[in-house]
Amino acid sequence: TQLLEQSPQFLSIQEGENLTVYCNSSSVFSSLQWYRQEPGEGPVLLVTVVTGGEVKKLKRLTFQFGDARKDSSLHITAAQPGDTGLYLCAGWASGTYKYIFGTGTRLKVLA
Amino acid sequence: SQTIHQWPATLVQPVGSPLSLECTVEGTSNPNLYWYRQAAGRGLQLLFYSVGIGQISSEVPQNLSASRPQDRQFILSSKKLLLSDSGFYLCASETGTSYEQYFGPGTRLTVT
Repeated sequence: TQLLEQSPQFLSIQEGENLTVYCNSSSVFSSLQWYRQEPGEGPVLLVTVVTGGEVKKLKRLTFQFGDARKDSSLHITAAQPGDTGLYLCAGWASGTYKYIFGTGTRLKVLA
Repeated sequence: SQTIHQWPATLVQPVGSPLSLECTVEGTSNPNLYWYRQAAGRGLQLLFYSVGIGQISSEVPQNLSASRPQDRQFILSSKKLLLSDSGFYLCASETGTSYEQYFGPGTRLTVT
């Protein structure tokens, strides 16, 4: 059973456009992490959100944790080709004692 | 900050041959360690995790095994590789307080 569903699965946009990636679950998470992975490399941690309703900004990236801590979103403003990669959300679902990764969103930003 | 080393970076092995992938961690002590496998362009499948020396939990029944002979060393092994073992293998470390995982560069395994 996949506890973290990401949407969209694939996204191809032009440089300068904005986009939002969603990470949804029916389970409550004590915290959620977002990672970005480039081809042939390991995922790199971008951010951790802990508090329901929390918003964190990392340059052009804005991360939000849902009020009920069951979902999260990643918004990229004015996307650049360097943003291209696989974006993964992940976290510990309360009561499962397991660290779960989302299904992933593959983003391609065209110059 | 933590640094995760993995080797080899790439490996091509025939079906039926043994496997040994190594992961070492710098910059932290007593980490929780993880082995993941990733199919092309897909999410991560957890294979094994370890909370301490000699303590291994398996998530997926398969012909792979893991060992943790030292605090910051994690090894993934197989006695006989299958074609389905091909993939991108990632080692990750977590300190147990932040839930944040730090990944190594990965090993690309191709079984022929």
